[in-house]
Amino acid sequence: GAGVSQSPSNKVTEKGKDVELRCDPISGHTALYWYRQSLGQGLEFLIYFQGNSAPDKSGLPSDRFSAERTGGSVSTLTIQRTQQEDSAVYLCASSRDFNTGELFFGEGSRLTVL
Amino acid sequence: GQQVMQIPQYQHVQEGEDFTTYCNSSTTLSNIQWYKQRPGGHPVFLIQLVKSGEVKKQKRLTFQFGEAKKNSSLHITATQTTDVGTYFCAGRTSYDKVIFGPGTSLSVIP
Repeated sequence: GAGVSQSPSNKVTEKGKDVELRCDPISGHTALYWYRQSLGQGLEFLIYFQGNSAPDKSGLPSDRFSAERTGGSVSTLTIQRTQQEDSAVYLCASSRDFNTGELFFGEGSRLTVL
Repeated sequence: GQQVMQIPQYQHVQEGEDFTTYCNSSTTLSNIQWYKQRPGGHPVFLIQLVKSGEVKKQKRLTFQFGEAKKNSSLHITATQTTDVGTYFCAGRTSYDKVIFGPGTSLSVIP
């Protein structure tokens, strides 16, 4: 596609439910990144992918968070048993390669946990 | 783990004044990038610096990368209301993880 696409754009869920956030990167981009941004805060690194593999999962806040990427393209971030502190905007970005190059961000998925 | 710090957290300037934000990494970086996020928007890439001591200019914006590749700065000359937003530095480690600083929020008073 023309840009990084994320869905849903907004998600309201109840505490304890599972949610899936999807990211469709720019075609041909091999690197994909997930960040979390709470209101008025900076970007918290969650995980990145080189192709389908995730060399560094240390940014995931807890074992309730997981992410996968299939076919070197679409990625899904799953949050199990959501908590109110999970409420934030989840941003996905892709870049052409791993060592350099700008990150292109999607519009984000705003998650609200009631 | 690797940390990227930025100061100041907030900056309010009169239109026409200059603005500078500073970025420091706890580890040596392979490169550093700068992004701008307008209120309600997503971060947008401004520039990337790779070489030690590198200086790049984009119109009224000047970017510097320190000699030790651990710090950087962004300077805006004669700010305009269109400069409003949050400016993030983002450091890339040798392991390709890109870590963002907490950002500097710029307000410009007309």
